[in-house]
Amino acid sequence: GAVVSQHPSWVICKSGTSVKIECRSLDFQATTMFWYRQFPKQSLMLMATSNEGSKATYEQGVEKDKFLINHASLTLSTLTVTSAHPEDSSFYICSAITTGANSPLHFGNGTRLTVT
Amino acid sequence: QKEVEQNSGPLSVPEGAIASLNCTYSDRGSQSFFWYRQYSGKSPELIMFIYSNGDKEDGRFTAQLNKASQYVSLLIRDSQPSDSATYLCAFLQAGTALIFGKGTTLSVSS
Repeated sequence: GAVVSQHPSWVICKSGTSVKIECRSLDFQATTMFWYRQFPKQSLMLMATSNEGSKATYEQGVEKDKFLINHASLTLSTLTVTSAHPEDSSFYICSAITTGANSPLHFGNGTRLTVT
Repeated sequence: QKEVEQNSGPLSVPEGAIASLNCTYSDRGSQSFFWYRQYSGKSPELIMFIYSNGDKEDGRFTAQLNKASQYVSLLIRDSQPSDSATYLCAFLQAGTALIFGKGTTLSVSS
């Protein structure tokens, strides 16, 4: 089946620093990837839609200058949390669609970010 | 605001029983519906998806969709303790991103 690899699995950083999270589609080309965020005991909230070769589309309330998304190739999208603060501590999950507009999403394993 | 509503639970069933998970959605234009299972601290994993009215069966899982009532459900037969997890209902928004409900926590006791 389709495999989405996300790295790192967990990261601890100091307040004010930046953290980059990578999302790779290992056995398929993903023209579109999605970034979700999940706080404890909450559902997955869509942050942004990342399209290869173009600017990401951010959901309402998500700061595009704080959460930088780059989708430079058909197999790689990155999310950079800039000037991280403790309230940014969360579980970040990327996902991708394999083929077709109605295909289910395949998720990466997620990144647990803790900002101290 | 397009939404997905789920009872947060917890839903508790004994081992071997049928677990019934329900979900309603607000967007009448939604065509594709998905059930994901999420264990604590892990990413969601796809269980089933359904596009057409009626039932769709896959092993112990049956998804049911009623577009007129804007209702989708998941039945788990012969529930096992390993089925204990949070089950997320989702629909496809505008053919792109999935919009998730808050999930229902299922607990299967042995």
